[in-house]
Amino acid sequence: EAQVTQNPRYLITVTGKKLTVTCSQNMNHEYMSWYRQDPGLGLRQIYYSMNVEVTDKGDVPEGYKVSRKEKRNFPLILESPSPNQTSLYFCASAYNGQSGQPQHFGDGTRLSIL
Amino acid sequence: AQSVTQLGSHVSVSEGALVLLRCNYSSSVPPYLFWYVQYPNQGLQLLLKYTTGATLVKGINGFEAEFKKSETSFHLTKPSAHMSDAAEYFCAVSSNFGNEKLTFGTGTRLTIIP
Repeated sequence: EAQVTQNPRYLITVTGKKLTVTCSQNMNHEYMSWYRQDPGLGLRQIYYSMNVEVTDKGDVPEGYKVSRKEKRNFPLILESPSPNQTSLYFCASAYNGQSGQPQHFGDGTRLSIL
Repeated sequence: AQSVTQLGSHVSVSEGALVLLRCNYSSSVPPYLFWYVQYPNQGLQLLLKYTTGATLVKGINGFEAEFKKSETSFHLTKPSAHMSDAAEYFCAVSSNFGNEKLTFGTGTRLTIIP
């Protein structure tokens, strides 16, 4: 089954404790992206990757890092989480970076930073 | 720059009634337009998309949307609402800039009244 898998689904942690949210897709997609969803703001892009070793900032990259060492994986790293990063996070992938391609989303990771 | 405005953060309709969710976009180039649906505790699923060609687009679950360039709109409709349609709906736009970034609206929560 084609899917995007995120882990963990839920996490409560404290300010400053480094964390990683993993994202893996099994569709051999070139393009992957991270979004955060906040009430009243919709989804906003954090980082995206057009292919292995190619990443770039989205609209709200501050406080986040990503890496793309393998095609299937695109982890999101919070080096020093802060309460304003409490949010619902989605990983997505698409066949390639050309506009018009539908994106496939994971089920989300709900992070609470205390 | 591109943006999306969804009119009405909450919409309630009776079961069997017409569903109309409004979306207006802004884009400096011909847009690609999408509607996604989010059920509770799940990721986003693609309902339908417009890239080029026919301006009336049919999607899954009986939904359709019409691209109206003169009105910069892409409203989502369904002739007869079903209880299972209760969810949050997001309109999104992407442009041919080589990054498959989706710019989302703030979402519309659809409630179906029995």
